[in-house]
Amino acid sequence: QKEVEQNSGPLSVPEGAIASLNCTYSDRGSQSFFWYRQYSGKSPELIMSIYSNGDKEDGRFTAQLNKASQYVSLLIRDSQPSDSATYLCAVGGGGSNYKLTFGKGTLLTVNP
Amino acid sequence: DGGITQSPKYLFRKEGQNVTLSCEQNLNHDAMYWYRQDPGQGLRLIYYSQIVNDFQKGDIAEGYSVSREKKESFPLTVTSAQKNPTAFYLCASSRDSQKETQYFGPGTRLLVL
Repeated sequence: QKEVEQNSGPLSVPEGAIASLNCTYSDRGSQSFFWYRQYSGKSPELIMSIYSNGDKEDGRFTAQLNKASQYVSLLIRDSQPSDSATYLCAVGGGGSNYKLTFGKGTLLTVNP
Repeated sequence: DGGITQSPKYLFRKEGQNVTLSCEQNLNHDAMYWYRQDPGQGLRLIYYSQIVNDFQKGDIAEGYSVSREKKESFPLTVTSAQKNPTAFYLCASSRDSQKETQYFGPGTRLLVL
């Protein structure tokens, strides 16, 4: 059974700070990694995807992947109140394996 | 305007009733998925389809059925055998086997009367 673990939070940060969200996964063969943002009552929307070890930056968001440690993280710089949401980590097997395994999500609150 | 649509937004089911949730996409994606989300829980895969006229059970398929007669459509039926159907149902699609990025529809919230 593949598992994806996230700290459920809530994680509370002040406006303008860096928010750090973490995710670990059990399947060492995993090849693809995704972060989704989900506002209360809404569906998940894709923020970042990462496939190789290292950092990937997109605006205020940076995804970090360490396959040896089976760890993926999301950093949000200059956090804004509009970033307050639940962040879902999803892990895929790669190749023809269509299935993603989702963590339960981390609730982030950015305080003005 | 490409995307994934789900209807209805809210659905009420009576005891012993089968209900069908609609999912349509105009992204020309091959793969489609149905997930269920309960409060405080992650997304759990119900069924998925990689190609027209083919679909596979996910982790919690009991009490659900699907069809994939057209590339654009992947309806989910919640049968009377599903004893705890109250949840937020999410449909997603992805382009092909090499592009696993899944994009979600707006969701249907199912409630039991």
